[in-house]
Amino acid sequence: DAGVTQSPTHLIKTRGQQVTLRCSPKSGHDTVSWYQQALGQGPQFIFQYYEEEERQRGNFPDRFSGHQFPNYSSELNVNALLLGDSALYLCASSSANLMNTEAFFGQGTRLTVV
Amino acid sequence: AQSVTQLGSHVSVSEGALVLLRCNYSSSVPPYLFWYVQYPNQGLQLLLKYTTGATLVKGINGFEAEFKKSETSFHLTKPSAHMSDAAEYFCAVTSGNSGYALNFGKGTSLLVTP
Repeated sequence: DAGVTQSPTHLIKTRGQQVTLRCSPKSGHDTVSWYQQALGQGPQFIFQYYEEEERQRGNFPDRFSGHQFPNYSSELNVNALLLGDSALYLCASSSANLMNTEAFFGQGTRLTVV
Repeated sequence: AQSVTQLGSHVSVSEGALVLLRCNYSSSVPPYLFWYVQYPNQGLQLLLKYTTGATLVKGINGFEAEFKKSETSFHLTKPSAHMSDAAEYFCAVTSGNSGYALNFGKGTSLLVTP
């Protein structure tokens, strides 16, 4: 079992550009959540996808958008990048429609905006 | 909304000594509580979780935590620290108020000295 895989592992972008991050959930999982972890901080919830729809969203601007595909993989898109978007972006997958289901995290994508 | 406070951003213990990492939560509904560990340049790994039932929860790598409703606490302990325990530890909470989002604390960095 490959677990949760994210690509790319590292990325450098210029202010104003757009970026797409990708996530493949753990086998058997149908729910994908995205988190932003700034340096020295805890992860902050961006949004969650289930059945190809955004089920819940955190306090992030509309520049952050996502998508879930029929195979449950997911993309996180960020438009008009700001320096403050530099962070580790974590994808987490889980199964079933339960709040207490364990979330498995990927290794993350380190985004640097210059 | 619920939140988590982790007391002490840095904790240092000697190898073989007791590890105690503190977590207090705020929630108006019964919470589900989690402890995650993050090693450098890695994603998050679940150590243990409390949902319902027994308030003393045992996790991986010898860690355990006790849910104390009266104190709104979920402190993480380990009787004897190993060098390999050095990492960042995050407490997280979710409940009906936040739906499916995990709300993380800011983390505690554990240093283990020989």
